[in-house]
Amino acid sequence: DTEVTQTPKHLVMGMTNKKSLKCEQHMGHRAMYWYKQKAKKPPELMFVYSYEKLSINESVPSRFSPECPNSSLLNLHLHALQPEDSALYLCASSQVGEDEAFFGQGTRLTVV
Amino acid sequence: GQNIDQPTEMTATEGAIVQINCTYQTSGFNGLFWYQQHAGEAPTFLSYNVLDGLEEKGRFSSFLSRSKGYSYLLLKELQMKDSASYLCAVRKTGGFKTIFGAGTRLFVKA
Repeated sequence: DTEVTQTPKHLVMGMTNKKSLKCEQHMGHRAMYWYKQKAKKPPELMFVYSYEKLSINESVPSRFSPECPNSSLLNLHLHALQPEDSALYLCASSQVGEDEAFFGQGTRLTVV
Repeated sequence: GQNIDQPTEMTATEGAIVQINCTYQTSGFNGLFWYQQHAGEAPTFLSYNVLDGLEEKGRFSSFLSRSKGYSYLLLKELQMKDSASYLCAVRKTGGFKTIFGAGTRLFVKA
């Protein structure tokens, strides 16, 4: 199993809503990542978890709140988002210290 | 600071060879990745170079010169399905941080 599964695939939410994005992998990877990608732009790193602990937060606004409940799951909790937060949110995982990161298919988020 | 430069777009013909260049300037270097991304899909890993030289993998090869801050991805025997964006990404030392270039959109024509 070399898959990273993200749900939902699409999400439309209002600026006062609270929602969560979910990411799951069963490859035994102990590093998991959240990236944000706007149209025709490269992915931008948001958060990195290593061994279920937050190791990198790229100065992301607090309206994005990551959570890693166990070694297979990574969540991104969303609250009071702005329309400019609309983007493709990508989850990835890798072995700690190894080369290849596997990406999920992403959640396309639209904030209205 | 850090900077990764790639051409914005390239066009090539089916069956031909194309080379996509990437130059980078970063504080701390721990390897360079190439990813392929089709529109609306996730990036997929193509290659990782940490030492100078050429790594060949089927129709795809990647080259790195650390002293020049330069890499290229070589695609041979181009197929229509190779039309995609190709992202150059640099891993920084000391952790998991990988910085992506803006990507090169490759169009393969018949």
